[in-house]
Amino acid sequence: QKEVEQNSGPLSVPEGAIASLNCTYSDRVSQSFFWYRQYSGKSPELIMSIYSNGDKEDGRFTAQLNKASQYVSLLIRDSQPSDSATYLCAVTPPGSGGGADGLTFGKGTHLIIQP
Amino acid sequence: NAGVTQTPKFQVLKTGQSMTLQCAQDMNHNSMYWYRQDPGMGLRLIYYSASEGTTDKGEVPNGYNVSRLNKREFSLRLESAAPSQTSVYFCASSEEAGAYYEQYFGPGTRLTVT
Repeated sequence: QKEVEQNSGPLSVPEGAIASLNCTYSDRVSQSFFWYRQYSGKSPELIMSIYSNGDKEDGRFTAQLNKASQYVSLLIRDSQPSDSATYLCAVTPPGSGGGADGLTFGKGTHLIIQP
Repeated sequence: NAGVTQTPKFQVLKTGQSMTLQCAQDMNHNSMYWYRQDPGMGLRLIYYSASEGTTDKGEVPNGYNVSRLNKREFSLRLESAAPSQTSVYFCASSEEAGAYYEQYFGPGTRLTVT
């Protein structure tokens, strides 16, 4: 059973601080990793993808991948109240054609940025 | 460019009724997907279509059928709705980004089965 685990939260972070969201996955040979943001009542929105070990930065967001530890994280710098949402970690299972046949999602971490 | 669109946005069905959820994308993506999202369960894949003319089962296909009508459209049918199918249904399509596929979601359909 392929699993993607996230702490459900809520994770409360003061405005302007760094929010750190974590995700572990069970299948060692998973190939690609995604972070989605989902506001209440809305659909998931892709914010970061990462395929290689190390860090990937995009604006205030940094994704970090450690395949040896089966761990992927998302850092949000200078957190804003508008960052308050549920963050979903998603993993492409191995042998899935790079993701053409779907993603496995974690249950999400609810992030609250306190003004 | 509307991205991924879904109809209807809301639906209430009685047990045993049937309905079809519609999804269309205008991004020329080859792959399309149907997920359901339930509280505490996260997003789960129902069916997917890796290309026009093909469909495959995902994690939770029982009680559903799909049709890939053409490259743009992918529909999900509930033949005999059950209360356990009360959920939010999301359609997605994916773009190949190098060797990998990035998925983009539609706005969702909130379905209640009484």
